[in-house]
Amino acid sequence: AQKVTQAQTEISVVEKEDVTLDCVYETRDTTYYLFWYKQPPSGELVFLIRRNSFDEQNEISGRYSWNFQKSTSSFNFTITASQVVDSAVYFCALNGVSNAGGTSYGKLTFGQGTILTVHP
Amino acid sequence: EAGVAQSPRYKIIEKRQSVAFWCNPISGHATLYWYQQILGQGPKLLIQFQNNGVVDDSQLPKDRFSAERLKGVDSTLKIQPAKLEDSAVYLCASSLDGRGVAKNIQYFGAGTRLSVL
Repeated sequence: AQKVTQAQTEISVVEKEDVTLDCVYETRDTTYYLFWYKQPPSGELVFLIRRNSFDEQNEISGRYSWNFQKSTSSFNFTITASQVVDSAVYFCALNGVSNAGGTSYGKLTFGQGTILTVHP
Repeated sequence: EAGVAQSPRYKIIEKRQSVAFWCNPISGHATLYWYQQILGQGPKLLIQFQNNGVVDDSQLPKDRFSAERLKGVDSTLKIQPAKLEDSAVYLCASSLDGRGVAKNIQYFGAGTRLSVL
């Protein structure tokens, strides 16, 4: 069974502060993929990043960075110099490759989400 | 490129009534997913189609929910009869790869917000 835990229910920061969103996961699969999605008030989930279990390099994209640590089963997301437009719900998700019968199986498991509010 | 289209955006019904949601995935995407997102929670997969065949419907309450994807393109999700606990946002997503593999990036529509009174 897969599980994703986002312990922070809500975070409130003032613009230009850095903020880190935590994500801890559980899986028995040796191959798996981790994702972050952003859900603005409009409702659709917007894809931010995908990381596979064999690539522990941290990634930076503009003000966004991700820290993947397999040893602690964590995939944390940091926003540097936050802006009001970053206000949204952020979801961490996991998709494991279950090789029962030799087939891979894509089933995305989401965390509960973290509500980020950035105040001007 | 057009994204995942869903309609209606909002629906209010009374319990025991029926309701249907429609989804048109991104052109060329073989895999289509329906999720239920209850307020304050992450989306939960209801059903996954690969082309027009069902890959996973293990979490679909089959006594009241049904879904179809005719011709492997757009899809409808129906609830009949609705219960109060069905109040949620119903999200549709699609991904390119027809094998439904774990690495697929899923692209989501804006969802349909259902209120059951």
